[in-house]
Amino acid sequence: DGGITQSPKYLFRKEGQNVTLSCEQNLNHDAMYWYRQDPGQGLRLIYYSQIVNDFQKGDIAEGYSVSREKKESFPLTVTSAQKNPTAFYLCASTGTSFGNTGELFFGEGSRLTVL
Amino acid sequence: AQKVTQAQTEISVVEKEDVTLDCVYETRDTTYYLFWYKQPPSGELVFLIRRNSFDEQNEISGRYSWNFQKSTSSFNFTITASQVVDSAVYFCALSGHTGTASKLTFGTGTRLQVTL
Repeated sequence: DGGITQSPKYLFRKEGQNVTLSCEQNLNHDAMYWYRQDPGQGLRLIYYSQIVNDFQKGDIAEGYSVSREKKESFPLTVTSAQKNPTAFYLCASTGTSFGNTGELFFGEGSRLTVL
Repeated sequence: AQKVTQAQTEISVVEKEDVTLDCVYETRDTTYYLFWYKQPPSGELVFLIRRNSFDEQNEISGRYSWNFQKSTSSFNFTITASQVVDSAVYFCALSGHTGTASKLTFGTGTRLQVTL
């Protein structure tokens, strides 16, 4: 079945550690996105990538890094520079034919807790 | 700047009641798209509907219906005869016609609880 797979589903991290969240899609979508969701808030865009080897900062990129070496993969690293990393992280993708309309397909999310 | 407001934080209804989720948006774009997504307890957002700014026709899909009114910048979502499976967080979102990048602006969501 086509879809977006995020792993791990739950992750605990000690302060000062970097962690990487995985996002893989087999939808043949060109564009991929990372959103952060906090309680009582909407989704906020961290980074997005429209094509392999290219990515752009979103609204809250500080403390995060990404790479896009393969079309199907868009991992997110939460670095120790991120002041408040505890959150729910959602990966999404869209095909270029929908690129101007914003219809996104989402993974099931990764919940990161900093101890 | 774009903004989406969902003033209802939580709504609780009894099964079979009708419920309307409100969404008000702000944008300077003349061409834009509005969306509703459902987030069940599993966490994944599920696409429900997309509406472009030139199409103000209301839409009905089964028990779901949407009322788009440009005059009031609103895109409200009604569930008729609600069911327990409708319990979820519902997000309204707005996308401008900005070119190749799709950047959705989300509202803060409305949590719907449907009880027996």
